[in-house]
This record gives sequence, C-alpha cells and structure tokens, in this order.
Amino acid sequence: DQQVKQNSPSLSVQEGRISILNCDYTNSMFDYFLWYKKYPAEGPTFLISISSIKDKNEDGRFTVFLNKSAKHLSLHIVPSQPGDSAVYFCAASYSGTYKYIFGTGTRLKVLA
Amino acid sequence: DSGVTQTPKHLITATGQRVTLRCSPRSGDLSVYWYQQSLDQGLQFLIQYYNGEERAKGNILERFSAQQFPDLHSELNLSSLELGDSALYFCASSVTRGTDTQYFGPGTRLTVL
Repeated sequence: DQQVKQNSPSLSVQEGRISILNCDYTNSMFDYFLWYKKYPAEGPTFLISISSIKDKNEDGRFTVFLNKSAKHLSLHIVPSQPGDSAVYFCAASYSGTYKYIFGTGTRLKVLA
Repeated sequence: DSGVTQTPKHLITATGQRVTLRCSPRSGDLSVYWYQQSLDQGLQFLIQYYNGEERAKGNILERFSAQQFPDLHSELNLSSLELGDSALYFCASSVTRGTDTQYFGPGTRLTVL
C-alpha cells in the first residue's frame, strides 16, 4: 500500500521556467512533509519541509504547497536551473512515529 | 557533505553470504535510520535506533538486523543474501527521534550475484 505517491516518474522543463512536482498521500494522520533532492551516486539531500498547520512554505526558489483537503502537496521551483536536474522525493511523517514514508521519486530534467 | 558517513561504498557478494554495512551519524545526532532503495523504487524504511535502542521497525526482513553502538555508529547486518537484496542502502541521522530533518549518507550499493 503506497501511502505516498508521486505519479509522474519524470518531468522536463526549460531553464528559467517553473517546475512543479506533485505528491499525493492517503494517510490523513500525516502532519509533516518534506522534499528531498537526490543526485546520482549521492544520498538524498533535504530541500524543504512543511507542517500541516501551514499551507505554504518558501525557501528561495523553492516553495512547497500543502492542500490537506485534497491530500496533495507540490514543490515549485522558480526559476528552474540546470543544476536542479535530479530526482525529487516527497516524504511524509506523523507525530509519534519515527519514520518517513517516501514516494517513488520524480526525475526532473532542466533543459538549458 | 551531510556529515553522515557510510562504508563500504560498494559491496559485491554471492547469494547465501552475510555482509555488514556501517554508518556513522552526524556529530551530535542520536537517531540513526536505515533505508533500502531498490531499482526504480522509493526509499523503504527499515529500522531506526535512538541512543542505542531500537525505536521503530519498518519493512525489515528477519534475515536483516541492526544495532547502534555506544559511540552511536550503527551497523546493518544482512544474512542469507538473495538476488533481490541487491539495492542501495542508505543511513540517515537526526538529532532526536521525532520529525527532525533526517540527513542522509551517500549510501552503500550492494550487489548480490
């Protein structure tokens, strides 16, 4: 049972444009969400997080939006840069647990 | 560099064998997590230790075990290896045991032939 889903395995975007990566979840108890970026041959790197008490969190070019009623979150990257090309994982957790549930990842390719 | 180290980087072994993967957390982090990433799969949580004690278990097979030592480094032991155990194994660490950000090591790529 995949509780966190990233339905788009890949995405290509032109440099300078907006990249939107999507993530859906099924467990309404999740109250903390994160995005990780992963380059080949490296471990995932934390990018940005959001608590369920918020619906938006920004950090520079990265913004995460949370729609609790739709059980959906998205990561916006504006403007996209070639160095953003990587696999992006969303992850979810809830209070009282000690583990993240990861999605299967979306491979983003930013074209120069 | 996340500050989390994992050894070895690559491991090639045969079916039926046993291997040990090692992880050193970031300085000051008390929690260590192990994840498995098979081909085209997301990261599957295996197990978590906090300050030497097991705190949470995920989809960890009975053939796999882990421990965290007094110096907080952790080892993941995989035995009776099967072809399907070939994967990337990541270790992550965090300060406490809650929803703190987890920082990942570079991973160990295990190939079972």
